[in-house]
Amino acid sequence: GENVEQHPSTLSVQEGDSAVIKCTYSDSASNYFPWYKQELGKRPQLIIDIRSNVGEKKDQRIAVTLNKTAKHFSLHITETQPEDSAVYFCAASYGGTSYGKLTFGQGTILTVHP
Amino acid sequence: EAGVVQSPRYKIIEKKQPVAFWCNPISGHNTLYWYLQNLGQGPELLIRYENEEAVDDSQLPKDRFSAERLKGVDSTLKIQPAELGDSAVYLCASSSLTSNRPHFGSGTRLTVV
Repeated sequence: GENVEQHPSTLSVQEGDSAVIKCTYSDSASNYFPWYKQELGKRPQLIIDIRSNVGEKKDQRIAVTLNKTAKHFSLHITETQPEDSAVYFCAASYGGTSYGKLTFGQGTILTVHP
Repeated sequence: EAGVVQSPRYKIIEKKQPVAFWCNPISGHNTLYWYLQNLGQGPELLIRYENEEAVDDSQLPKDRFSAERLKGVDSTLKIQPAELGDSAVYLCASSSLTSNRPHFGSGTRLTVV
């Protein structure tokens, strides 16, 4: 089955700096790569996702890049703010009618210091 | 649109007792998932339904866990009997054929004492 490795496990940055979280996956058939933000005691919230026919996607301060050859993808957050502090999870799946059979990474605790 | 609704939000039970969790997916979402999230880890899929059919339950510990989605809408996840190691957050998610993106509920935090 799919295996997703996520690094780093913790990341501390100053407000305004950029943050980068990296994930690798094992199954070359995976074609959907979402990123979730989870605040303490709350639900995982989808913040951005990318499909395997796209190499990069950007949404305001958040961007995701995908390298299918190397089987890795990354989350980039620019101009970080204290409210970006949370646990971030990457995930991968293969799906025809559904992308929901997600395999998650171990999570990255991001702390943005004011 | 209303999100995925789960209840209860918290549950504390003694070991060996049964427990059940309920999930109401987003209206019109035909795919429903149950995930288990241990503290400090990413969610792990337990079971996935397409309408009322369980299409992937390979990760569900069938000796003590069961799930149902009788009418293809709401779903119930049951544990009987519960063990100390079952303490975790149980997340429900749903997705539609048009979007495919799974949307998560807030989860049920189970504590087995």
